[in-house]
Order: sequence, then structure tokens, then C-alpha cells
Amino acid sequence: DIQLTQSPSFLSASVGDRVTITCRASQGISSYLAWYQQKPGKVPKLLIHTASTLQSGVPSRFSGRGSGTEFTLTISSLQPEDFATYYCQQRSTYPVTFGPGTKVDV
Amino acid sequence: EVYLVESGGRLAQPGGSLTLSCAVSGFTFSNSFMSWVRQAPGKGLEWVATIWPDGSDKKYLESVRGRFTVSRDNADNSLYLQMNSLRADDTAVYFCTRLMGSVTTFHYWGQGTLVTVSS
Repeated sequence: DIQLTQSPSFLSASVGDRVTITCRASQGISSYLAWYQQKPGKVPKLLIHTASTLQSGVPSRFSGRGSGTEFTLTISSLQPEDFATYYCQQRSTYPVTFGPGTKVDV
Repeated sequence: EVYLVESGGRLAQPGGSLTLSCAVSGFTFSNSFMSWVRQAPGKGLEWVATIWPDGSDKKYLESVRGRFTVSRDNADNSLYLQMNSLRADDTAVYFCTRLMGSVTTFHYWGQGTLVTVSS
């Protein structure tokens, strides 16, 4: 199985900060990576797919980069509504796997 | 608008069975790849199963293979997850999801239904 690790696991930030989360895969997954945002008590929301394609309706302050084994999710200027947990997910091979999550908090 | 509404979650005994349902609307269900994803309390996300639009193929997480069965009724716009031999570590919120085309990216999510396995 392909393992995904995320760093940091917890990130303390302020409104207006530039935030970067890293996701690393245990083997190459090309660009088959997605990012999701989940707020407490809410359903996960797809932000980015295929490593860097912004999902329709997602603000442009979110961006994704990477291929192979290392990927990043960047929020260019953190907004109050961005405080949440972020998960990466690979679809290169079954079983599909998620990273453990990065909680972005004040 | 896309709607996915799960039901069937409840308290179940270890070793027991449960069937989850997901009623969908707002898109062509019969053309859609569908999956179940779960989230244990306070934990991360875990893919459980995927079913092809015509039901011709199914993929499972290893820890549920042989115990869980994903199925669908395209005439009724419904997705199911039959769960047998339940274990405590199956305790989770189970989300019904619609994939993005044929790729395993979880585009739309239901609100989830809670399954608790405990004696």
C-alpha cells in the first residue's frame, strides 16, 4: 500500500499568513493526488485534484504543486474560514489512501 | 444540485450485521462511480470501497474484504454497504461519495451516518 505522510501535523497560524503543507508518498504516484479540507463536524470538501488543479469554486489563494513523491498545498493568505484540517489522498493505486491530516489552527 | 443522503447507521454488536444506504439525486447515478469512505471518531479519513457504475467491478479495503459488500440499485438511485462480522474498529462515520468521473477522487460527499460497534 502507498503510505502518505503530512507535515506538519499541526500548524499554528494567523490570518494573512502564507501556509504550506507537505504531503509525501512512500512511492511515486505521478500527479494522482488530491487535497481536501474538513472543518469540525463538517463533511470533507475537495479543494485540489491531480496535484494542482483547483476545484471549481475554490478560492484562488489555494494552490497545489508537486509530482512523484512530494506535494504541497499552499494557502497564500490565510482567511478565518480556512482554519480546518487538510488531508491529501492518492489515487495512483488501490487501496486509495489518505494522509493523516494537518490541522491549521490559530 | 447533487444530494447524497446516508442512512442505516446505529449501534451494533460485535459480530453483528448492518446495511447502510445512500439515496442520491441531482446527477445521473447509473453513470457514476461511487465509494464509501469512513472516519473513526477523532481520526482521519479511510477509503472503504468503490463500485463501478454498472456494478461490474468493486474494490475493497483489505480489512473489510470478505466482510463488507458494496452494491447499488441504479433503478432506485441507491448505493448500499452491507456490513457483516462487525468489529469495534469499524466504528466510524460512513460517508457516501460520488467520484470525479472514473478517477478515485471524492467529488461529492453525503453528510455521513454513524456506525458504532460495541457490546
